[in-house]
Amino acid sequence: AQKITQTQPGMFVQEKEAVTLDCTYDTSDPSYGLFWYKQPSSGEMIFLIYQGSYDQQNATEGRYSLNFQKARKSANLVISASQLGDSAMYFCAMTTSGTYKYIFGTGTRLKVLA
Amino acid sequence: DADVTQTPRNRITKTGKRIMLECSQTKGHDRMYWYRQDPGLGLRLIYYSFDVKDINKGEISDGYSVSRQAQAKFSLSLESAIPNQTALYFCATSPGQARETQYFGPGTRLLVL
Repeated sequence: AQKITQTQPGMFVQEKEAVTLDCTYDTSDPSYGLFWYKQPSSGEMIFLIYQGSYDQQNATEGRYSLNFQKARKSANLVISASQLGDSAMYFCAMTTSGTYKYIFGTGTRLKVLA
Repeated sequence: DADVTQTPRNRITKTGKRIMLECSQTKGHDRMYWYRQDPGLGLRLIYYSFDVKDINKGEISDGYSVSRQAQAKFSLSLESAIPNQTALYFCATSPGQARETQYFGPGTRLLVL
């Protein structure tokens, strides 16, 4: 069965510092995609970054990067130079080939301190 | 204008009432989804549709029904609302490609009294 695990219910980071949000996954399908979404207090779900299981390099999108360690089945999100506006809930999600259904983790609430 | 819209944005209803949540998209995507979000549980899939004639149950479909009126419209109904259906409901769309990024609507906050 597919599963996404986010073990950090909440985290704090000082403004301008980097922070890593953990995500581990479980699937027997060799073809899968991993996603991170941001949910600010206003409630909308904002797509941040994508990593495919066959991608050779770690994905990056501006201040966001995904530390993909396939053997360890982890897909951690790294936010560099944290900003106050980064305070939000962050969700890791996965799809596998043929299903195209998302499985979400339970989320990590990040608070950036001034 | 937003690519994925949901109406209403907020709704309060009473136990036993039938309500409909509507989703429209202008992205031209074939695939549409309904999720509910509860605190501490992340998002869970209620129903999904890969095209107008293809509708499938997700992991928590009991108590819900859907209608895909057109490629751009996907509605979720609660036939007889109950308090534990109080949640934040999201509609999402995806293009049906390998990357399969899903694009979410703004959400509907539903309170069942």
